[in-house]
Amino acid sequence: EIVLTQSPGTLSLSPGERATLSCRASQSVSSSYLAWYQQKPGQAPRLLIYGASSRATGIPDRFSGSGSGTDFTLTISRLEPEDFAVYYCQQPGTFGQGTKVEIK
Amino acid sequence: QVQLVQSGAEVKKPGASVKVSCKASGYTFTSYGISWVRQAPGQGLEWMGWISAYNGNTNYAQKLQGRVTMTTDTSTSTAYMELRSLRSDDTAVYYCARDLSTVTMTSGYWGQGTLVTVSS
Repeated sequence: EIVLTQSPGTLSLSPGERATLSCRASQSVSSSYLAWYQQKPGQAPRLLIYGASSRATGIPDRFSGSGSGTDFTLTISRLEPEDFAVYYCQQPGTFGQGTKVEIK
Repeated sequence: QVQLVQSGAEVKKPGASVKVSCKASGYTFTSYGISWVRQAPGQGLEWMGWISAYNGNTNYAQKLQGRVTMTTDTSTSTAYMELRSLRSDDTAVYYCARDLSTVTMTSGYWGQGTLVTVSS
């Protein structure tokens, strides 16, 4: 069973700063199936990135995904107030434990 | 537009069963698979399993094998998730989610969630 490990657990940043979130797999995974989701309190998750680097419909271009093999990254180029949330990576059958992006 | 509307909150006693529904609209139901994901209070997302709405094939998380059953009713475009022998640690919000496309299990569309509380 593949395990996805996200780091850091919490990221404290200010609006306008750059956020870099990591997702590491315990073994190589297909980039085609690596996704990133955003979740805000009381809401269902929202798909941000699929196929490791493709933005879902309506997702602003400040969100970008990259990586391959075992190491994947979600980057938010300039944090907007609405970006403070929890982010999860996923490959079929498993989620990472999440990274909380909080206001510093 | 794609919509997934789930059934309402449930309160169950330990040992009981719960069946959550997920009614789909806005697309051809049999063309996409449905995943079920749960989230315990204050915790992360846990993948429970996936069902093909085309042929009913399923793939369950190993830890839930034997306790969970996922089904679909194509006549009403509804997916169901039944969890048996409920325990207190099954208390969670349960989500259904539709595959983003016909060639990926990435969940592109989500229901609103159903809170299941297991308490004596």
